[in-house]
Amino acid sequence: ELKVEQNPLFLSMQEGKNYTIYCNYSTTSDRLYWYRQDPGKSLESLFVLLSNGAVKQEGRLMASLDTKARLSTLHITAAVHDLSATYFCAVEDVSNYQLIWGAGTKLIIKP
Amino acid sequence: DTGVSQDPRHKITKRGQNVTFRCDPISEHNRLYWYRQTLGQGPEFLTYFQNEAQLEKSRLLSDRFSAERPKGSFSTLEIQRTEQGDSAMYLCASSLVGLQETQYFGPGTRLLVL
Repeated sequence: ELKVEQNPLFLSMQEGKNYTIYCNYSTTSDRLYWYRQDPGKSLESLFVLLSNGAVKQEGRLMASLDTKARLSTLHITAAVHDLSATYFCAVEDVSNYQLIWGAGTKLIIKP
Repeated sequence: DTGVSQDPRHKITKRGQNVTFRCDPISEHNRLYWYRQTLGQGPEFLTYFQNEAQLEKSRLLSDRFSAERPKGSFSTLEIQRTEQGDSAMYLCASSLVGLQETQYFGPGTRLLVL
């Protein structure tokens, strides 16, 4: 059974700092996604990562995937307040194409 | 707006009543998903359709839950005899089958069962 773990679950940081959110998963998968969710809102797709060594960047966010380690990272560079949100990773279960979600990382960026 | 839409956005009901939610996916998308999300948790898969066929249903989905996608376009999720534990955000997502397949989510329907 595929399990997805994120850490940390909560992160409070100052503007201008760098930090990384980690997503570990337990069995082989072909796809990993990162989503953002603002309070009371729905989920916004950030990245889809398909292959080992994949790296994608959008603004101050960069996501990478190591399929051998079953690990993805979401790196935040020079954080700004607008990036405050909950970030989820989701991994595709190859047996049934379902997405298995992490518990989310609640990120608070203080001015 | 060509995104995923859901109706209603909020629903308050009494325990034991039936409720029905609607989801309109992005028009060219052939897959449609239903999830449930409770506070502080990630989405929990309920079921999905490819066109009008319901291909997967979560083991967690009790017999009180049923979903349809009659013409391969919009979908409905019905909960019969609601219980307080059904209170959650119900999210719909759609996607187009392909290598870069990504699920796009609607705004959700927040259900409160009193």
